[in-house]
Amino acid sequence: EDKVVQSPLSLVVHEGDTVTLNCSYEVTNFRSLLWYKQEKKAPTFLFMLTSSGIEKKSGRLSSILDKKELSSILNITATQTGDSAIYLCAVAFNTNAGKSTFGDGTTLTVKP
Amino acid sequence: DGGITQSPKYLFRKEGQNVTLSCEQNLNHDAMYWYRQDPGQGLRLIYYSQIVNDFQKGDIAEGYSVSREKKESFPLTVTSAQKNPTAFYLCASSILRQGTDTQYFGPGTRLTVL
Repeated sequence: EDKVVQSPLSLVVHEGDTVTLNCSYEVTNFRSLLWYKQEKKAPTFLFMLTSSGIEKKSGRLSSILDKKELSSILNITATQTGDSAIYLCAVAFNTNAGKSTFGDGTTLTVKP
Repeated sequence: DGGITQSPKYLFRKEGQNVTLSCEQNLNHDAMYWYRQDPGQGLRLIYYSQIVNDFQKGDIAEGYSVSREKKESFPLTVTSAQKNPTAFYLCASSILRQGTDTQYFGPGTRLTVL
């Protein structure tokens, strides 16, 4: 059974802190790993990772994939209250084009 | 504006009733998906469709049905056979092309069974 596990499930930090969110997977036919941010309703895309060791960066957010360890991390530096959200990790497959399996998400709360 | 719309935003259902959730996209995407999200949990796939007039069951299809008569539309029916339908339902779409697996989500429908 394909499995995507995120940790921690929830996290409370103060503005300015740096956080690291984890995602590990056990799947067959891995094609890519994706990170999404869900603030209130619709998840929005952050990163798609396919190659091991290549960091993707967008502002204060960055992510990297480790195919040997079957995992990925999402880093957020200098956190702001606007970073408070659920962060979802998903894995897409080579077969069943377009289908993804999601983890349970990490709920991040950034306090002022 | 291109995007995905879902309606209604909130839906209340009495036990024993079937209800249909609407999902429309004007992104010209090939694939569409329905997910269910319960509190503290991620997204679980109900059904997905890669092409018109074809769809596949996801991980939790029991008690749900879908149709894909048009590329733009992928309605979900929650039947009375679904024992615990209270949840947040998200529709998504994606373009089936090598190099991108990104899904684009609608704003969701929150269904409550009274």
